[in-house]
Amino acid sequence: GAVVSQHPSRVICKSGTSVKIECRSLDFQATTMFWYRQFPKQSLMLMATSNEGSKATYEQGVEKDKFLINHASLTLSTLTVTSAHPEDSSFYICSATVAGSYEQYFGPGTRLTVT
Amino acid sequence: ILNVEQSPQSLHVQEGDSTNFTCSFPSSNFYALHWYRWETAKSPEALFVMTLNGDEKKKGRISATLNTKEGYSYLYIKGSQPEDSATYLCAFRSGTYKYIFGTGTRLKVLA
Repeated sequence: GAVVSQHPSRVICKSGTSVKIECRSLDFQATTMFWYRQFPKQSLMLMATSNEGSKATYEQGVEKDKFLINHASLTLSTLTVTSAHPEDSSFYICSATVAGSYEQYFGPGTRLTVT
Repeated sequence: ILNVEQSPQSLHVQEGDSTNFTCSFPSSNFYALHWYRWETAKSPEALFVMTLNGDEKKKGRISATLNTKEGYSYLYIKGSQPEDSATYLCAFRSGTYKYIFGTGTRLKVLA
């Protein structure tokens, strides 16, 4: 149980285009989903927290107009990187939690390369 | 700025050796400490959630201890096997419920 999928696993896009990443909880309803970014040799850095049906809460320094998060249902959250630039190339990973639980369940991540 | 440090960054051990690594975290505003095991191309897998000072958790050959007063946790692997090769991440969860991750310890167990 507690499986989270993420799609796509890898994406290469041209500078200026937008990319959407999906995060799905497959066998449970996720009240909260988190989006993280990891640059090489660095730790997972929280970008934003999203609760189903409400606006995401972004961490300091993360542009909400550039990284659009939609959490339309209890099993799906999407992250759209708008007008991507090479500096947005990174590893993006989501996780999902259930209200009242200590645990968060991770997807396998998405490697984004912007050329 | 809250910081979580893990050491060592990487290590190689021989099959059958026991090993341990450290996670250091802020000693104030503690809520929980998480350990994850992360194999390449897979999702991080939850190992332990630790909430109380003095907690000791065990799962098979892997165990962990927690000291919230001094801000550290140890992860131990007894009799390492090649399948234990992975990155071991710790994450500090504060009273504001945000997770702060360390950079991980990359373990390679040589057969």
